Amino acid sequence: ETGVTQSPTHLIKTRGQQVTLRCSSQSGHNTVSWYQQALGQGPQFIFQYYREEENGRGNFPPRFSGLQFPNYSSELNVNALELDDSALYLCASSVRGMTSYNEQFFGPGTRLTVL
Amino acid sequence: AQSVTQLDSHVSVSEGTPVLLRCNYSSSYSPSLFWYVQHPNKGLQLLLKYTSAATLVKGINGFEAEFKKSETSFHLTKPSAHMSDAAEYFCVVSEGSYDKVIFGPGTSLSVIP
Repeated sequence: ETGVTQSPTHLIKTRGQQVTLRCSSQSGHNTVSWYQQALGQGPQFIFQYYREEENGRGNFPPRFSGLQFPNYSSELNVNALELDDSALYLCASSVRGMTSYNEQFFGPGTRLTVL
Repeated sequence: AQSVTQLDSHVSVSEGTPVLLRCNYSSSYSPSLFWYVQHPNKGLQLLLKYTSAATLVKGINGFEAEFKKSETSFHLTKPSAHMSDAAEYFCVVSEGSYDKVIFGPGTSLSVIP
């Protein structure tokens, strides 16, 4: 069973640029969540995708957007990058089930640096 | 509104001694509570979860946590620390929908040989 994978592992961009981060869900998982983890802080929920639609969003501006594909892989897009966007971006996959919270399996993350 | 406080940003223990990582939460409803561990350059791993069943929850690698509603606490403990336990630990609260998952700021655990 393959775990959650993310690419790239590291990325350097400049202010104003756009970036796309990718995530492959664990086999059999139909839900993907994205988190931003700034240095020295806990992860903050960005949004979640289920059945290719956004299903819940944290306190992030619209320049943070995403996609989920039929194979349940996902992308996180960030436009007009700002210095404060520098962080570790984590993807987590899970199976939507009967309970309201199901265990999320996290990938190793993508380290984004904005200069 | 939900919130999570981890009372220590850093804890240092000697190998073989007990571990206590403290977590207090605030929630308007009956929350679900979790502890995750993050090793360097690895993804977050679920240690244990409380979802309104037994208040003493046992997790992986010898960790356990006790839900105390009167104290709004969910402290993580382990009887004997191992070198491999050195990592960042996050307390997490959820009120039942994915967009209300709140991570604490984390506690860095160091284990001294």
